[in-house]
Parts: sequence; C-alpha cells; structure tokens
Amino acid sequence: AQRVTQPEKLLSVFKGAPVELKCNYSYSGSPELFWYVQYSRQRLQLLLRHISRESIKGFTADLNKGETSFHLKKPFAQEEDSAMYYCALKGAAGNKLTFGGGTRVLVKP
Amino acid sequence: GAVVSQHPSWVICKSGTSVKIECRSLDFQATTMFWYRQFPKQSLMLMATSNEGSKATYEQGVEKDKFLINHASLTLSTLTVTSAHPEDSSFYICSARDRVQPQHFGDGTRLSIL
Repeated sequence: AQRVTQPEKLLSVFKGAPVELKCNYSYSGSPELFWYVQYSRQRLQLLLRHISRESIKGFTADLNKGETSFHLKKPFAQEEDSAMYYCALKGAAGNKLTFGGGTRVLVKP
Repeated sequence: GAVVSQHPSWVICKSGTSVKIECRSLDFQATTMFWYRQFPKQSLMLMATSNEGSKATYEQGVEKDKFLINHASLTLSTLTVTSAHPEDSSFYICSARDRVQPQHFGDGTRLSIL
C-alpha cells in the first residue's frame, strides 16, 4: 500500500525566513515523488518532481530513500509562496497518485 | 503547458437529480484521466482511474453505480453523480495525463445538493 504523510497542517513563517515542508512516504518499491501547489482560488499545479532534480520558484526537494522522505525547502520564503502544498507519490506499477494531507503555508510580511 | 478544463465549476441541484461533470484535455491527448473528491480542509481522495476506451477502475469504497464515468475519447471524460443526495456534496476534481506528462488538474467542480 502507498501512503504519504505531511505532519504539519500549517506552517507560518516571516518573509525572508527559510521554510521546510515535511513529507514522508510508505511504499515498498521505487516511487516517484511530486510536490503540487494550490494557490488561493486556483487549480492544483505541479511544482516539482524528484526525477527532474530541478529548482522551481526557489524550491528544492530531495528524495531520501533511507528516511523515506521528500521534504520541500526554500531558503527565503516570499509572500507569494503562501498556498496549500501537497506531496504526492506514484508507484512504479501504476498511474495513480496518492496525496498527503497537505500543508498550508502562510508567509507573513 | 498542458491545460485541463473542467465544467461546470459550480452546480446546485435538488436531491434525487443526476449531475454530469465534464473534464477535457485541451492541448494534449489524455490516455488516462482521474477523478478525485475533496472534502473541506482535507486532501484529494482518488475515486477512479479512467483509461480511454475502457471501463474505469474504481477505488475501494466508491460506488460505481453511483458515480458513472465515461472516457469515450482522448480528450473528454465525464463523471455523472446519479440520484445525488446531500452527502454527495463535495468538490470534485479531475486530472489528465498522457504517456509522458505527469497529471495536470482541472479547476474542480463544487457540487451542492439541496
């Protein structure tokens, strides 16, 4: 079975401070991990995926298979980063995504 | 980039009626479409996976006779909530992907059953 856990429902940081959103997963094979973001009144958008190993909007995430984690980080948060963030896992065999519960990020001025 | 259009964005109807929600991929051929349900302040729960030209695969606990899914073309999937009741009120979201791209999501449909 696939499971994704985001332990923090809400993260509140000041502008310019670092932010880290935790994501842990449970999967017996080799998963593909994603971070999706949903800004206020907008659709869910792909932020980044672990196989791309890229930085989007200053965010990075590294897959740690030993700790089964895929934490999302940004060194200097901006007000426009305020949004809902979902970590998601796709198993090797199928197409479907399993989502974590989501973390709401609030960046205060 | 890939665009997924979902219609309608909001629907209110009386208990007992059936409601159809459309999901279209506008600039790519969606070999697979997904339907999710999202309750307030909760995450997305996958309801079913739909491959073009074949029957949908429903997740455990989702009534296939209640939530009819049709994926007749590579750009269109529909979800019909049959004989809707107040407990079916929710936010329904579709997503679509082809063989290469990851899932792209629609704007969602807010369904309110009176």
